[in-house]
Amino acid sequence: AQKITQTQPGMFVQEKEAVTLDCTYDTSDQSYGLFWYKQPSSGEMIFLIYQGSYDEQNATEGRYSLNFQKARKSANLVISASQLGDSAMYFCAMRRTNTGNQFYFGTGTSLTVIP
Amino acid sequence: EAQVTQNPRYLITVTGKKLTVTCSQNMNHEYMSWYRQDPGLGLRQIYYSMNVEVTDKGDVPEGYKVSRKEKRNFPLILESPSPNQTSLYFCASRGGLLGNTEAFFGQGTRLTVV
Repeated sequence: AQKITQTQPGMFVQEKEAVTLDCTYDTSDQSYGLFWYKQPSSGEMIFLIYQGSYDEQNATEGRYSLNFQKARKSANLVISASQLGDSAMYFCAMRRTNTGNQFYFGTGTSLTVIP
Repeated sequence: EAQVTQNPRYLITVTGKKLTVTCSQNMNHEYMSWYRQDPGLGLRQIYYSMNVEVTDKGDVPEGYKVSRKEKRNFPLILESPSPNQTSLYFCASRGGLLGNTEAFFGQGTRLTVV
């Protein structure tokens, strides 16, 4: 069974500091994709960053980077220079490349940025 | 503007009264899917579709039906809603065969079954 684990239900970070949101995954597939989504209080799901299982370099998108450790099956999201607008729920997800649109989501981490 | 549109955004209904939540995308995406989001459980996939007339069950399909008669539309049907189907529902679509294409989500439909 595929499984995504986010062990931090809630996190606090000081404005302008960096924060790491943890994500581990469990799969026997060789090919898969890892995603992070942000869900602000308004409810929409916003795509942040993607990492492919065969990508050798960690993905980066602006202030977001993904710390991918394949052997440990972890895909942690790092947000640098936190802003008040970063306060939201964050979901880690995995897509099985071989089965089309099968996405598996974690339970989410609620991040609060403190002024 | 590329988007996934769900309707309605909010719905309160009674147990047993059939309802349909519509989902439409304007990006010519092959893949569409439905999720429900519940506190502490994250998003769980209900059904997905890889193309017209091709649908398959996700992790929590019981009590739901879908159809994909046109590429752009993927309605979610609750034939006989029950209170345990009270949830926040998301439709999503993605295009292409590459693994790096993200899913685009609709705005969500908050359903309450009383």
